[in-house]
Amino acid sequence: DTEVTQTPKHLVMGMTNKKSLKCEQHMGHRAMYWYKQKAKKPPELMFVYSYEKLSINESVPSRFSPECPNSSLLNLHLHALQPEDSALYLCASSRGFNQPQHFGDGTRLSIL
Amino acid sequence: GIQVEQSPPDLILQEGANSTLRCNFSDSVNNLQWFHQNPWGQLINLFYIPSGTKQNGRLSATTVATERYSLLYISSSQTTDSGVYFCAVLPGANSKLTFGKGITLSVRP
Repeated sequence: DTEVTQTPKHLVMGMTNKKSLKCEQHMGHRAMYWYKQKAKKPPELMFVYSYEKLSINESVPSRFSPECPNSSLLNLHLHALQPEDSALYLCASSRGFNQPQHFGDGTRLSIL
Repeated sequence: GIQVEQSPPDLILQEGANSTLRCNFSDSVNNLQWFHQNPWGQLINLFYIPSGTKQNGRLSATTVATERYSLLYISSSQTTDSGVYFCAVLPGANSKLTFGKGITLSVRP
Protein backbone atom coordinates (compact mmCIF):
# COMPACT_ATOMS: atom_id res chain seq x y z
CA ASP A 1 0.00 0.00 0.00
CA THR A 2 1.25 3.45 -0.92
CA GLU A 3 1.91 5.98 1.87
CA VAL A 4 0.69 8.84 -0.33
CA THR A 5 -3.08 8.66 -0.76
CA GLN A 6 -4.82 10.26 -3.72
CA THR A 7 -8.55 10.67 -4.22
CA PRO A 8 -10.52 10.12 -6.32
CA LYS A 9 -8.92 7.29 -8.31
CA HIS A 10 -10.96 8.14 -11.40
CA LEU A 11 -12.70 11.36 -12.40
CA VAL A 12 -14.78 12.20 -15.45
CA MET A 13 -15.79 15.82 -15.85
CA GLY A 14 -17.16 18.20 -18.44
CA MET A 15 -15.27 21.24 -19.64
CA THR A 16 -17.45 23.60 -17.58
CA ASN A 17 -17.20 21.66 -14.30
CA LYS A 18 -15.16 22.52 -11.22
CA LYS A 19 -13.58 19.65 -9.34
CA SER A 20 -10.65 19.03 -7.00
CA LEU A 21 -8.03 16.34 -6.64
CA LYS A 22 -6.78 15.52 -3.16
CA CYS A 23 -3.45 14.17 -1.94
CA GLU A 24 -2.55 13.26 1.63
CA GLN A 25 0.62 11.99 3.32
CA HIS A 26 1.41 11.34 6.97
CA MET A 27 5.14 10.72 6.70
CA GLY A 28 6.08 14.19 7.95
CA HIS A 29 7.38 15.14 4.50
CA ARG A 30 7.74 18.88 3.89
CA ALA A 31 7.86 18.88 0.08
CA MET A 32 4.87 17.88 -2.04
CA TYR A 33 4.51 17.72 -5.81
CA TRP A 34 1.92 17.47 -8.60
CA TYR A 35 2.82 15.68 -11.83
CA LYS A 36 0.86 15.11 -15.03
CA GLN A 37 1.44 11.96 -17.08
CA LYS A 38 0.13 11.32 -20.59
CA ALA A 39 0.00 7.80 -22.03
CA LYS A 40 3.41 6.31 -22.90
CA LYS A 41 5.26 9.38 -21.55
CA PRO A 42 7.17 10.01 -18.31
CA PRO A 43 5.59 12.16 -15.58
CA GLU A 44 5.94 15.93 -16.06
CA LEU A 45 6.30 18.22 -13.07
CA MET A 46 3.52 20.79 -12.57
CA PHE A 47 3.96 22.28 -9.08
CA VAL A 48 6.20 21.96 -6.02
CA TYR A 49 5.28 23.02 -2.49
CA SER A 50 7.91 23.34 0.20
CA TYR A 51 6.84 23.98 3.80
CA GLU A 52 3.33 24.72 2.51
CA LYS A 53 4.55 27.46 0.16
CA LEU A 54 4.49 27.22 -3.63
CA SER A 55 8.11 27.12 -4.75
CA ILE A 56 7.88 25.90 -8.36
CA ASN A 57 5.17 26.42 -10.98
CA GLU A 58 6.19 24.91 -14.30
CA SER A 59 4.21 27.45 -16.34
CA VAL A 60 0.99 25.53 -15.78
CA PRO A 61 -2.22 27.10 -17.20
CA SER A 62 -4.34 28.91 -14.61
CA ARG A 63 -7.20 26.44 -15.04
CA PHE A 64 -5.10 24.29 -12.66
CA SER A 65 -4.90 25.84 -9.19
CA PRO A 66 -2.87 24.14 -6.44
CA GLU A 67 -3.44 24.58 -2.74
CA CYS A 68 -1.55 23.33 0.32
CA PRO A 69 -3.79 23.86 3.39
CA ASN A 70 -1.35 22.11 5.75
CA SER A 71 1.81 20.04 5.71
CA SER A 72 -0.07 16.77 5.09
CA LEU A 73 -2.52 17.83 2.43
CA LEU A 74 -2.21 18.99 -1.18
CA ASN A 75 -5.12 19.84 -3.44
CA LEU A 76 -5.38 20.55 -7.15
CA HIS A 77 -8.43 22.58 -8.13
CA LEU A 78 -9.64 22.13 -11.70
CA HIS A 79 -11.81 24.53 -13.67
CA ALA A 80 -12.70 24.85 -17.36
CA LEU A 81 -10.38 22.05 -18.41
CA GLN A 82 -9.78 21.06 -22.02
CA PRO A 83 -9.90 17.54 -23.52
CA GLU A 84 -6.09 17.57 -23.81
CA ASP A 85 -5.93 17.80 -20.00
CA SER A 86 -7.09 14.19 -19.81
CA ALA A 87 -4.20 12.34 -18.14
CA LEU A 88 -3.00 10.56 -15.03
CA TYR A 89 -2.30 13.08 -12.24
CA LEU A 90 0.27 11.94 -9.73
CA CYS A 91 1.07 13.40 -6.35
CA ALA A 92 4.42 12.85 -4.64
CA SER A 93 6.09 13.84 -1.40
CA SER A 94 9.64 13.89 -0.03
CA ARG A 95 11.34 14.79 3.21
CA GLY A 96 13.15 17.61 1.45
CA PHE A 97 14.09 18.69 -2.06
CA ASN A 98 17.04 16.33 -2.48
CA GLN A 99 15.36 13.39 -0.83
CA PRO A 100 13.64 10.47 -2.63
CA GLN A 101 10.11 11.14 -3.81
CA HIS A 102 7.24 8.81 -2.96
CA PHE A 103 4.29 8.72 -5.34
CA GLY A 104 0.59 8.13 -4.84
CA ASP A 105 -1.44 5.84 -7.10
CA GLY A 106 -2.71 8.77 -9.14
CA THR A 107 -6.04 10.10 -10.32
CA ARG A 108 -7.04 9.18 -13.87
CA LEU A 109 -8.84 12.22 -15.25
CA SER A 110 -11.01 12.26 -18.36
CA ILE A 111 -12.41 15.50 -19.78
CA LEU A 112 -15.48 15.15 -21.98
CA GLY B 1 19.16 20.90 -18.70
CA ILE B 2 20.29 17.42 -17.78
CA GLN B 3 19.67 14.60 -20.28
CA VAL B 4 18.57 11.13 -19.16
CA GLU B 5 18.73 8.25 -21.63
CA GLN B 6 17.42 4.79 -20.92
CA SER B 7 18.12 1.65 -22.92
CA PRO B 8 16.83 -0.47 -24.42
CA PRO B 9 13.46 1.25 -25.03
CA ASP B 10 11.61 -2.06 -25.14
CA LEU B 11 12.45 -5.48 -23.76
CA ILE B 12 10.64 -8.82 -24.06
CA LEU B 13 11.66 -11.65 -21.76
CA GLN B 14 10.61 -15.18 -21.11
CA GLU B 15 9.65 -15.82 -17.50
CA GLY B 16 12.73 -16.81 -15.50
CA ALA B 17 15.20 -14.84 -17.62
CA ASN B 18 17.56 -12.16 -16.30
CA SER B 19 17.91 -8.63 -17.66
CA THR B 20 19.89 -5.42 -17.29
CA LEU B 21 18.35 -1.98 -17.80
CA ARG B 22 20.60 1.02 -18.29
CA CYS B 23 20.30 4.72 -17.46
CA ASN B 24 22.86 7.28 -18.68
CA PHE B 25 22.80 10.89 -17.48
CA SER B 26 24.67 13.90 -18.78
CA ASP B 27 25.66 15.71 -15.56
CA SER B 28 26.34 15.11 -11.88
CA VAL B 29 23.30 14.30 -9.74
CA ASN B 30 22.29 14.53 -6.10
CA ASN B 31 19.61 11.88 -6.36
CA LEU B 32 18.82 8.96 -8.65
CA GLN B 33 15.71 6.85 -8.35
CA TRP B 34 14.45 3.79 -10.21
CA PHE B 35 10.68 3.36 -10.46
CA HIS B 36 8.42 0.62 -11.80
CA GLN B 37 5.10 1.72 -13.25
CA ASN B 38 2.73 -1.22 -13.40
CA PRO B 39 -0.05 -1.61 -15.99
CA TRP B 40 -2.50 0.07 -13.57
CA GLY B 41 -0.39 3.23 -13.48
CA GLN B 42 1.06 2.86 -10.00
CA LEU B 43 4.56 4.33 -9.81
CA ILE B 44 6.50 2.24 -7.33
CA ASN B 45 9.83 3.22 -5.78
CA LEU B 46 12.43 0.54 -6.43
CA PHE B 47 15.68 2.20 -5.40
CA TYR B 48 17.09 5.50 -4.23
CA ILE B 49 20.67 5.11 -5.40
CA PRO B 50 22.77 8.23 -6.14
CA SER B 51 25.87 6.00 -5.92
CA GLY B 52 26.89 2.47 -5.00
CA THR B 53 25.02 -0.83 -5.12
CA LYS B 54 21.78 -1.94 -3.47
CA GLN B 55 19.80 -5.15 -3.56
CA ASN B 56 16.17 -5.90 -2.81
CA GLY B 57 15.14 -9.50 -3.47
CA ARG B 58 15.43 -10.30 -7.18
CA LEU B 59 16.26 -6.69 -8.02
CA SER B 60 19.54 -4.89 -7.62
CA ALA B 61 20.91 -1.57 -8.81
CA THR B 62 24.32 -0.02 -9.27
CA THR B 63 25.12 3.63 -9.89
CA VAL B 64 28.59 4.74 -10.97
CA ALA B 65 28.25 8.47 -10.41
CA THR B 66 31.71 9.34 -11.77
CA GLU B 67 30.84 7.69 -15.09
CA ARG B 68 27.23 8.96 -15.05
CA TYR B 69 25.29 5.75 -15.43
CA SER B 70 23.09 3.42 -13.43
CA LEU B 71 22.08 -0.20 -14.03
CA LEU B 72 19.02 -2.05 -12.81
CA TYR B 73 19.29 -5.85 -12.71
CA ILE B 74 16.23 -8.08 -12.70
CA SER B 75 16.87 -11.76 -12.03
CA SER B 76 14.45 -14.68 -12.49
CA SER B 77 11.87 -12.38 -14.05
CA GLN B 78 8.17 -12.89 -13.36
CA THR B 79 5.10 -11.75 -15.31
CA THR B 80 4.39 -9.26 -12.52
CA ASP B 81 7.65 -7.49 -13.44
CA SER B 82 5.99 -6.27 -16.65
CA GLY B 83 5.48 -2.53 -16.98
CA VAL B 84 7.59 0.55 -17.54
CA TYR B 85 10.84 1.18 -15.67
CA PHE B 86 11.81 4.82 -15.19
CA CYS B 87 15.12 6.24 -14.11
CA ALA B 88 14.85 9.75 -12.64
CA VAL B 89 17.63 12.07 -11.55
CA LEU B 90 17.84 15.21 -9.47
CA PRO B 91 20.59 17.54 -10.68
CA GLY B 92 22.45 19.45 -8.00
CA ALA B 93 21.46 22.85 -9.34
CA ASN B 94 17.69 22.62 -8.72
CA SER B 95 15.00 20.44 -7.30
CA LYS B 96 13.25 19.18 -10.43
CA LEU B 97 13.27 15.40 -10.79
CA THR B 98 14.07 14.63 -14.46
CA PHE B 99 12.77 11.36 -15.85
CA GLY B 100 14.08 9.26 -18.70
CA LYS B 101 11.62 8.08 -21.35
CA GLY B 102 11.30 4.69 -19.69
CA ILE B 103 11.92 1.07 -20.64
CA THR B 104 8.87 -1.05 -21.43
CA LEU B 105 9.35 -4.58 -20.16
CA SER B 106 7.09 -7.48 -21.11
CA VAL B 107 7.63 -10.79 -19.35
CA ARG B 108 5.91 -13.69 -21.08
CA PRO B 109 4.81 -16.85 -19.24
